[in-house]
Amino acid sequence: QLQLQESGPGLVKPSETLSLTCTVSGGSISSSNYYWGWIRQPPGKGLEWIGTIYYSGSTYYNPSLKSRVTISVDTSRNQFSLKLNSVTAADTAVYYCARSYCSSTFCSTIGYIDYWGQGTLVTVSS
Amino acid sequence: QLVLTQSPSASASLGASVKLTCTLSSGHSNYAIAWHQQQPEKGPRYLMKLNNDGSHSKGDGIPDRFSGSSSGAERYLTISSLQSEDEADYYCQTWGTGIQVFGGGTKLTVL
Repeated sequence: QLQLQESGPGLVKPSETLSLTCTVSGGSISSSNYYWGWIRQPPGKGLEWIGTIYYSGSTYYNPSLKSRVTISVDTSRNQFSLKLNSVTAADTAVYYCARSYCSSTFCSTIGYIDYWGQGTLVTVSS
Repeated sequence: QLVLTQSPSASASLGASVKLTCTLSSGHSNYAIAWHQQQPEKGPRYLMKLNNDGSHSKGDGIPDRFSGSSSGAERYLTISSLQSEDEADYYCQTWGTGIQVFGGGTKLTVL
């Protein structure tokens, strides 16, 4: 059974960088059929896609966050990571990592999320 | 622009059926979507992928009470024989080249 587990600081100061890691177990992050991504949910609000990475390192980001986001992958550790810089209180949210299955030819589109991590709350506050 | 629209809330009685709607933006009526369930204080759970022809594939362990259908730009999630644990937020999700999009979610109340 695939499992995804987020880890990282639960409290980040304004203007600093939020850093999270997702560890994948029960499956290989190097599989050609899947993308790996981050989604967040501010308290009481809906889901927002942050960005996604392929095992080769190709990345896609939400245009509204693109200037502040970096997603990277470490295939040797079966992990991928999120960095969001210059954070403000508006970045306070539960952050989820997820796997997406790309059913299209050559994985030309990201696909649908079929597994979610349990989520981790990150609070931005001094 | 690829956008998904959902009604903010829905309600139905215990044991009844309910049909939730997710509408694709103009020009995207042939897109597939996925439905996800988020029970109170929990993370989302994948329910099913739903194609534009109404065919769908469900995630592991998803009861037969959950089904999907499509008509034009609308994608539906039908839950039959409603149970108390079905009270949750339901999100639709779609994707394109280099993008993923979520609907705003529908809060389902089981009366």
